[in-house]
Amino acid sequence: EPEVTQTPSHQVTQMGQEVILRCVPISNHLYFYWYRQILGQKVEFLVSFYNNEISEKSEIFDDQFSVERPDGSNFTLKIRSTKLEDSAMYFCASTERLAGEEQFFGPGTRLTVL
Amino acid sequence: AQTVTQSQPEMSVQEAETVTLSCTYDTSESDYYLFWYKQPPSRQMILVIRQEAYKQQNATENRFSVNFQKAAKSFSLKISDSQLGDAAMYFCAYRIMNAGNMLTFGGGTRLMVKP
Repeated sequence: EPEVTQTPSHQVTQMGQEVILRCVPISNHLYFYWYRQILGQKVEFLVSFYNNEISEKSEIFDDQFSVERPDGSNFTLKIRSTKLEDSAMYFCASTERLAGEEQFFGPGTRLTVL
Repeated sequence: AQTVTQSQPEMSVQEAETVTLSCTYDTSESDYYLFWYKQPPSRQMILVIRQEAYKQQNATENRFSVNFQKAAKSFSLKISDSQLGDAAMYFCAYRIMNAGNMLTFGGGTRLMVKP
């Protein structure tokens, strides 16, 4: 069964460093998402991406964040200068179509900022 | 803004028994989707069940069913014949139909299953 994959599973970085989290959505999916879950808290929407551009973003997704689909398979989230409060699980998700579709989630990347 | 509230931070159930997890939401929209996601210790989010707001019939998936009360803005999940593998965090989520595609999640309920 096709699935969303994410790498790395765990990333440790120093405050102020740039990190890139990688996702490979399901191959025929067109809509891509990033969510974040700070430990013990709810899952929060960051951004959605369609047709090579951001379609929606939350207040959390400020200038420190960017997303890119550098090729036909990868979907990346970049955090330019990490802060301690960026420590969280980051989930990538994808859907084939927009309306009503289940968002298929990847296993997540645990980001730890020291 | 839409909000989703899960009032039970933790629930426990005896194996083979039935448990109901509560969820309420606040929205001014009339067309939307509601979801229950399961998050086991592996942390991956797995869809359990989905309900379209325009459908009056409650969704059912094997041992999982919902009680959708649109007027009350309530969307509870019933798990029948609970199994040890059902132990996980359960998140209720909401999404507007045909406008925007972000999921709004509740705070989650941790379900423990006792053997």
